[in-house]
Amino acid sequence: KNQVEQSPQSLIILEGKNCTLQCNYTVSPFSNLRWYKQDTGRGPVSLTIMTFSENTKSNGRYTATLDADTKQSSLHITASQLSDSASYICVVSASYSGAGSYQLTFGKGTKLSVIP
Amino acid sequence: DGGITQSPKYLFRKEGQNVTLSCEQNLNHDAMYWYRQDPGQGLRLIYYSQIVNDFQKGDIAEGYSVSREKKESFPLTVTSAQKNPTAFYLCASSIRDHNQPQHFGDGTRLSIL
Repeated sequence: KNQVEQSPQSLIILEGKNCTLQCNYTVSPFSNLRWYKQDTGRGPVSLTIMTFSENTKSNGRYTATLDADTKQSSLHITASQLSDSASYICVVSASYSGAGSYQLTFGKGTKLSVIP
Repeated sequence: DGGITQSPKYLFRKEGQNVTLSCEQNLNHDAMYWYRQDPGQGLRLIYYSQIVNDFQKGDIAEGYSVSREKKESFPLTVTSAQKNPTAFYLCASSIRDHNQPQHFGDGTRLSIL
């Protein structure tokens, strides 16, 4: 069964500090890994998407890493801001050839709170 | 600006009643999806459509129905057969490339009266 596990479940940090969120997955056959940011009461917004051959990708203060061998990813947030308070969701895609279809497995998310 | 619009933002359902959630996109995306989000759980796929007039069941389709008569629109009906409909419902769309991200609407929160 495909699974995505995120840790920690929740995190509180001071404004200006850095933090790292973790994502471990058992998804096969692996196609890509995505990180989304979801503000409370809003829909998720894409931060990064990484394929098998990419091991790091940045989007402003967000940097995602991928280790396909250990099936782990991390999302590092630099110099956090109050607006970074949100849930961060890791999503892993499995791609099935022939049918041209793919399946997404969503993690439960890490809830980040940035306090002044 | 292009995007996905879900309406209403909040919806209340009485026992035995069907309700329809609206999802419209102007991104010219072929694929559209409906997800259900419950507290402490990952998003779960209800239905998806990769082309007009065609749609497929997701992991939790029981008690739900959809239609895809236009490329821009993918409404979801929560029927009375769905015994636990209280949740946050998210609509998404994407181009038909699995290495491209999905774009999400801002959701509809459905509650039972």
